[in-house]
Amino acid sequence: AQKVTQAQTEISVVEKEDVTLDCVYETRDTTYYLFWYKQPPSGELVFLIRRNSFDEQNEISGRYSWNFQKSTSSFNFTITASQVVDSAVYFCALSETLNAGKSTFGDGTTLTVKP
Amino acid sequence: DTAVSQTPKYLVTQMGNDKSIKCEQNLGHDTMYWYKQDSKKFLKIMFSYNNKELIINETVPNRFSPKSPDKAHLNLHINSLELGDSAVYFCASSLSVDRGGYEQYFGPGTRLTVT
Repeated sequence: AQKVTQAQTEISVVEKEDVTLDCVYETRDTTYYLFWYKQPPSGELVFLIRRNSFDEQNEISGRYSWNFQKSTSSFNFTITASQVVDSAVYFCALSETLNAGKSTFGDGTTLTVKP
Repeated sequence: DTAVSQTPKYLVTQMGNDKSIKCEQNLGHDTMYWYKQDSKKFLKIMFSYNNKELIINETVPNRFSPKSPDKAHLNLHINSLELGDSAVYFCASSLSVDRGGYEQYFGPGTRLTVT
C-alpha cells in the first residue's frame, strides 16, 4: 500500500530563514512518481514539482530545491531565504504505476513565514 | 481562461438534500479526479476517471455518484447529504493516467456546508 508521511504538522520561521519540509513515502512499486503541491491561504492547489523513481538528481528552481533519496524513501523540499508569500500548506504526494489513477497525499505541512 | 473550473464555489444546504457539483477542464486532459479536503486540510482522493471511465473509487459512500459525460467534464452528485459531508471538494485533471506519472491541475474548490 502506498503511504506518504509528512511528520511536520506546522513550521514557523522568520523571513529570510531557510526551511526544509520533510516527506517520507512507502511503496512496493519500482516505478513511481513523487510530487509537491502548494496550497496558499487563498485555497487553490498549485503543482510545484514531479520526480520519477529513476531520477534521483536534485532539482533547484529559484529559491526552491528538492532532495530525493531512494535509500531513505524521502523527498524533501527546501525553501531558501523564505518570504511571507511562501506561507502555505505544502503537500507531498505519491503515485504508483501499479495503482495508476490514485494519488496518495501526505497530511500536509503548514508553513508560516513571519516578517 | 480557467484551466479547471468548478461550480458552484460555495454550497450551503440542509441535511437530507441532494446536490451536484460540476467540473470542467479545458486542458485536453484524459484523466479527472474528485478529492475531499476536510477541516484539518487532509486531502483524500474519492474518484478517478480516465477517458470517461471510472478507474478509482476509494471507499466512498454510494450516496456520492460521479458522472463523466465526456473527457472534459466530471460532475459529482451527492444524495441525502449528511453533516459529515461538509468539506471542500476539489476537482483535478491530469494529462493521462499512464504510468501514474503526471501532475494534477486543480480547480478552485467547492466549499460544501451541510447544516
